[in-house]
Amino acid sequence: DAKTTQPTSMDCAEGRAANLPCNHSTISGNEYVYWYRQIHSQGPQYIIHGLKNNETNEMASLIITEDRKSSTLILPHATLRDTAVYYCIVSMDSNYQLIWGAGTKLIIKP
Amino acid sequence: GAVVSQHPSRVICKSGTSVKIECRSLDFQATTMFWYRQFPKKSLMLMATSNEGSKATYEQGVEKDKFLINHASLTLSTLTVTSAHPEDSSFYICSASRLAGKLTGYEQYFGPGTRLTVT
Repeated sequence: DAKTTQPTSMDCAEGRAANLPCNHSTISGNEYVYWYRQIHSQGPQYIIHGLKNNETNEMASLIITEDRKSSTLILPHATLRDTAVYYCIVSMDSNYQLIWGAGTKLIIKP
Repeated sequence: GAVVSQHPSRVICKSGTSVKIECRSLDFQATTMFWYRQFPKKSLMLMATSNEGSKATYEQGVEKDKFLINHASLTLSTLTVTSAHPEDSSFYICSASRLAGKLTGYEQYFGPGTRLTVT
């Protein structure tokens, strides 16, 4: 079973920041938080990952709480092309298997 | 960088025939490759984990004689669905992992998927 809990769906207005929450209260000290997204009928796309520090790249920012029991993925300026299912996964390392939950279906509205 | 390709993207085959799906890491050598299947509106389900030169490790419930995996090199893995049946119709996705750095660990990149339809 997936070790994360995410809302089933979310809406966000185009141009606004999309904040996607994830709970992972049973995360172990050596487990990373990974975020992927999957646009309809395509393979998943890697977004970002982190261990305990906040991370930022060209796609998104990842905010991890101090106790590491939850995190938030932030898409700073959402576009229509960001409509996808977003998956939050915890794993020791992505060289190991990733267990996929149901994810959050994010719909960006014009 | 970090591109994973799959071929074919779509395939239709008759019941009882075999189908081979290729997964290639185009610009990196993959430490490990993974095979998933995904049913409509469902999440990805891991089928097997594959390392170059060794036998694949299959997940519980996945028939290794039906889903043959060959990992010939650090950039190529193949999945053969043998004696295909309509219930094998699904979206098959491969992924490949590489070491991004000592501090950042591994990153796993996914292929675009192969839509298999068995008639």
